Amino acid sequence: QVQLVESGGGLVKPGGSLRLSCAASGFTFSDYYMSWIRQAPGKGLEWVSYISSSGSTIYYADSVKGRFTISRDNAKNSLYLQMNSLRAEDTAVYYCARDPSLVVPAAGLDYWGQGTLVTVSS
Amino acid sequence: AIWMTQSPSLLSASTGDRVTISCRMSQGISSYLAWYQQKPGKAPELLIYAASTLQSGVPSRFSGSGSGTDFTLTISCLQSEDFATYYCQQYYSFPYTFGQGTKLEIK
Repeated sequence: QVQLVESGGGLVKPGGSLRLSCAASGFTFSDYYMSWIRQAPGKGLEWVSYISSSGSTIYYADSVKGRFTISRDNAKNSLYLQMNSLRAEDTAVYYCARDPSLVVPAAGLDYWGQGTLVTVSS
Repeated sequence: AIWMTQSPSLLSASTGDRVTISCRMSQGISSYLAWYQQKPGKAPELLIYAASTLQSGVPSRFSGSGSGTDFTLTISCLQSEDFATYYCQQYYSFPYTFGQGTKLEIK
């Protein structure tokens, strides 16, 4: 079965860095686009970043552009989010999600991980 | 960026009721719209994609309609497990955007 498991969250000081990972299993990872989405405590969902199946196409939300870097390692079935210059407003649960559009066109985000909490505080 | 207005933000209903949630876009997105359900402490789950296609395993009491700028999620006969928060999402263009959410609570 499809599984996405995030890790790497934790408490970090403002200005610090953190690297999130998302381990994928149960499907051919290299066939799927992926996204990171976050949710601040008690708030709604905010899309953060997207990466194509090969990693050649990447997009970011304006709120993280220049500070966050998305990447993937298809050999390791893993997705990453390098977060630098962290701010208090980056505090959120971060989810990775699968985008099956290469396989099923226009299919939304069909599987999500359980999320990992990032807290930015001094 | 495409802005979305999701309404209502809070919806009170009873088991067996029929409810609708609306999502309006600042510009046309064809049918590139999805609906998600989220329960407290859990990840969102995809209900509907391409505006009206039911995700595998989702009960048929959920339905979606619309295209262009106006979309609707309908739950035809509320069950106890449907009380949750619902989000729409456009994936027509980047940055992807989500609606503000609709919390469906028991009346």
